[in-house]
Amino acid sequence: TQLLEQSPQFLSIQEGENLTVYCNSSSVFSSLQWYRQEPGEGPVLLVTVVTGGEVKKLKRLTFQFGDARKDSSLHITAAQPGDTGLYLCAGGRDKIIFGKGTRLHILP
Amino acid sequence: DAGVIQSPRHEVTEMGQEVTLRCKPISGHNSLFWYRQTMMRGLELLIYFNNNVPIDDSGMPEDRFSAKMPNASFSTLKIQPSEPRDSAVYFCASSSNRVNTEAFFGQGTRLTVV
Repeated sequence: TQLLEQSPQFLSIQEGENLTVYCNSSSVFSSLQWYRQEPGEGPVLLVTVVTGGEVKKLKRLTFQFGDARKDSSLHITAAQPGDTGLYLCAGGRDKIIFGKGTRLHILP
Repeated sequence: DAGVIQSPRHEVTEMGQEVTLRCKPISGHNSLFWYRQTMMRGLELLIYFNNNVPIDDSGMPEDRFSAKMPNASFSTLKIQPSEPRDSAVYFCASSSNRVNTEAFFGQGTRLTVV
């Protein structure tokens, strides 16, 4: 059974700081996805990483896929209150499974 | 397209009652997923369909849960009888069959069983 473990579960930091959250598995994934979920809404896709070692940037967000395609990280530079939310990683070829997420709170 | 549409948005029911959650996927999407989200267990995959056929229901917690997809534009998740531990937010999502495609989620149904 494929499992995705995310860390940390919770993170509260001051506006302007940098942070990194992680998504790890013992299984190899053909791709991993990062979603962001806001209260009262469903998750929304941020990015898909496909190639081992791949790095993708989305404004202040940098996503990396591990060389062995078993892990991924999300780095946020100069966090802003608008970055607050639940960040979920997901993977799977046919059935898409999710990690439990990192709940991020940016303090103004 | 209006996106994935779920109804109702909120449901409060008494223990033992039957609950039916509804989902209309995005037109043209071949896969449909039902998830349950709680603080303790996160976003759990309950069942997924491909071309209206149930492919994997290993996440369905008990026989009290059942799901159907009678056509490409409609799916239901039924709980009978409901129990307080079923209280959660239930999400429906759909996706196309393209490789590495994303899942598009509805706004969810918040179920409270008292």
